[in-house]
Amino acid sequence: DAGVTQSPTHLIKTRGQHVTLRCSPISGHKSVSWYQQVLGQGPQFIFQYYEKEERGRGNFPDRFSARQFPNYSSELNVNALLLGDSALYLCASSLDGQGAQYFGPGTRLTVL
Amino acid sequence: AQSVTQLGSHVSVSEGALVLLRCNYSSSVPPYLFWYVQYPNQGLQLLLKYTSAATLVKGINGFEAEFKKSETSFHLTKPSAHMSDAAEYFCAVSANTGFQKLVFGTGTRLLVSP
Repeated sequence: DAGVTQSPTHLIKTRGQHVTLRCSPISGHKSVSWYQQVLGQGPQFIFQYYEKEERGRGNFPDRFSARQFPNYSSELNVNALLLGDSALYLCASSLDGQGAQYFGPGTRLTVL
Repeated sequence: AQSVTQLGSHVSVSEGALVLLRCNYSSSVPPYLFWYVQYPNQGLQLLLKYTSAATLVKGINGFEAEFKKSETSFHLTKPSAHMSDAAEYFCAVSANTGFQKLVFGTGTRLLVSP
């Protein structure tokens, strides 16, 4: 079975632009979570979705938004990019948002 | 609220030596605990998880961890290090009910020398 997939792998943007990151969960998993990992740190929770509903949000500004589609895939959107948004963005899926979460390879975002 | 403290940002061992990576947690509710490994330029791979069953948890690649409630610890061990174990290791905690987000420690880089 395929694991969690994310696209694109790498992305370079300039300050003020907008970006959309995509994630497909493991087949049968109905929950997707997004994390931001800044270089040298542990991942920080951004959002969790279950059955297309937002279940939780971390301490991130409103420039960050997300949604989950009927097929359980998800998009993370970031508006008005700042240099500090440069990070590895990780998507994780789980059966129902509880227990173990399985991570994708991440999208490396660089903001210039 | 939950938090994790990983003692030692870097741990160096020789190939064949015991690996011990330390993790202490804080949680206002009974926790679930996890260890993940991250190789350079990759995502996180689940090594093992504690979800309130057996306190000694065995994971992949010969790793295991023991949940000690009295010490609020969940240290990761492996009897004999291999060169391929060199990576970044993250301990994470979540609540065991309701909405569960992972709260990660700052990570420990394991260096293995021949």
